[in-house]
Amino acid sequence: GAGVSQTPSNKVTEKGKYVELRCDPISGHTALYWYRQSLGQGPEFLIYFQGTGAADDSGLPNDRFFAVRPEGSVSTLKIQRTERGDSAMYLCARHGVTDTQYFGPGTRLTVL
Amino acid sequence: DQQVKQNSPSLSVQEGRISILNCDYTNSMFDYFLWYKKYPAEGPTFLISISSIKDKNEDGRFTVFLNKSAKHLSLHIVPSQPGDSAVYFCAASDAGTYKYIFGTGTRLKVLA
Repeated sequence: GAGVSQTPSNKVTEKGKYVELRCDPISGHTALYWYRQSLGQGPEFLIYFQGTGAADDSGLPNDRFFAVRPEGSVSTLKIQRTERGDSAMYLCARHGVTDTQYFGPGTRLTVL
Repeated sequence: DQQVKQNSPSLSVQEGRISILNCDYTNSMFDYFLWYKKYPAEGPTFLISISSIKDKNEDGRFTVFLNKSAKHLSLHIVPSQPGDSAVYFCAASDAGTYKYIFGTGTRLKVLA
């Protein structure tokens, strides 16, 4: 596989609830990325981690979105007060040996 | 303003024939380009990439062509197989960032 696992594969929640999406890359990769793909669109960049720190979070849509990577491996994307417009596929990617990013299977989030 | 465009939302090709998927970009700073393939409910799978110092890269049945003056790249698949049926995304980045900018995708259907 791509060396990235994501859990859960599907998450259904109600408007206003809090959700956490997890990304677990194989060890040894300091760079980790989150993207969001809405229906009919390509993936859109959210945030990039280099080790434990967020090197660039310019893609996060608003302050309801937050991501952490406390030990430099597993990362969690957190969404507060979810809205229906947050429904999308959330993708995590690790950096390969070259400049290529390899994506996990994604988490399909549905906000009712 | 969309920096990476895939103007054909869908394409149908007979098995054994060549599939040509096109992508245009506007940012002259882009220097690394990739093609990903995506099946429903899965993450994008890396297919092939090309650096701006090249104009062609080949990997098996897949060839990517880059025309920098026209800001255009294309993916050729030959011969096309039914298993190639998927959505194909082109992506671009520049050396100063690690964010990929994706097009909106082209759905390829290879008819048996």
